[in-house]
Amino acid sequence: DAGVIQSPRHEVTEMGQEVTLRCKPISGHDYLFWYRQTMMRGLELLIYFNNNVPIDDSGMPEDRFSAKMPNASFSTLKIQPSEPRDSAVYFCASNLGHKSYEQYFGPGTRLTVT
Amino acid sequence: DQQVKQNSPSLSVQEGRISILNCDYTNSMFDYFLWYKKYPAEGPTFLISISSIKDKNEDGRFTVFLNKSAKHLSLHIVPSQPGDSAVYFCAAGGTSYGKLTFGQGTILTVHP
Repeated sequence: DAGVIQSPRHEVTEMGQEVTLRCKPISGHDYLFWYRQTMMRGLELLIYFNNNVPIDDSGMPEDRFSAKMPNASFSTLKIQPSEPRDSAVYFCASNLGHKSYEQYFGPGTRLTVT
Repeated sequence: DQQVKQNSPSLSVQEGRISILNCDYTNSMFDYFLWYKKYPAEGPTFLISISSIKDKNEDGRFTVFLNKSAKHLSLHIVPSQPGDSAVYFCAAGGTSYGKLTFGQGTILTVHP
């Protein structure tokens, strides 16, 4: 299996622009998670899905952030408009479910907003 | 409200010695704990886990200890190797199915 795939790996954009991050989970995994890593806060859970349905979005910082999972093999995290404080590494992870807590992470997208 | 805390931002040890990474949690609903390792420019990878019904789990050079009364867990690496140099995250689950809460991470540097 190719593991969790994220694109792009790096994104540099100007403040005010829309940014879309993409994720393909491991085939057969029922759960998908979006995290943000910063020096100050470590790994923060933004939102997670079970069988394509959002379960908990309490970690989404503001209305500028939105996430979708239109099918079992694809999810997007969108920031509109982007701000410099959104600069971070964004990770996607997936989980098999079935009482398993182990999550498998993608390589991350490093976002820089200037 | 940080429910999982790693109070040491960094740790430096000599090759061959023991590395001890610590993690504290506040939520008594947590019943499963994991350690992840992260190299630069890569995603975190699962290392070892422990259920709250145990107090120790061992896998090769890695051992995780859980003290439920103190709400504390630790990861021991013996002997430490330069390739162990990475960021280590502890994580806890049990409040909502599938969801993990992560600590801030500890940067481990193992010197040859």
